[in-house]
Amino acid sequence: DAGVIQSPRHEVTEMGQEVTLRCKPISGHNSLFWYRQTMMRGLELLIYFNNNVPIDDSGMPEDRFSAKMPNASFSTLKIQPSEPRDSAVYFCASSSGLAGGETQYFGPGTRLLVL
Amino acid sequence: QKEVEQNSGPLSVPEGAIASLNCTYSDRGSQSFFWYRQYSGKSPELIMFIYSNGDKEDGRFTAQLNKASQYVSLLIRDSQPSDSATYLCAVKLGSWGKLQFGAGTQVVVTP
Repeated sequence: DAGVIQSPRHEVTEMGQEVTLRCKPISGHNSLFWYRQTMMRGLELLIYFNNNVPIDDSGMPEDRFSAKMPNASFSTLKIQPSEPRDSAVYFCASSSGLAGGETQYFGPGTRLLVL
Repeated sequence: QKEVEQNSGPLSVPEGAIASLNCTYSDRGSQSFFWYRQYSGKSPELIMFIYSNGDKEDGRFTAQLNKASQYVSLLIRDSQPSDSATYLCAVKLGSWGKLQFGAGTQVVVTP
């Protein structure tokens, strides 16, 4: 079975540009999580969807970040405009079960570099 | 105070020895605890989860939970070079599945 799929795997962009990260969760999973990982701050939860509805977006750093989940098999994380401090690895994870389930399965991540 | 704390390491362990990793958490209401392994440049992968006080064994890995003292630990027996990675402790907050991760402990197994 395919795991969590993320695209692109690598993204290099210039400051001020719009960046869109994409995620396809594991089929049948009803919870989706977006994380950001940096050396300084570790792994941080940005936003969490359950049944396509945003449940907790308290980790979204600022208005430049937005996330959508239009259906159960697709989610996007958008940064507009991007800044060098947004450079990080962005992971998408999904899980199943009641109230988000227990085991979160991570995608391979998108390595973002903003110049 | 961070919600989930781990020693950053690196923890150097001779091949064949036991690696002991510790994690403390601040939310007394936490009910579920997870250990993830992350190789350099890769994504986290779940090793074990534990819900009840005591020990839980899976192969060479043993998770230990003490809710009264608010700590969870991971033991890796017969450590192998392939165990060299960063180990992330995660605690489930609330009832919606949100995980709070620690900063991770880097383990280096030396031949």
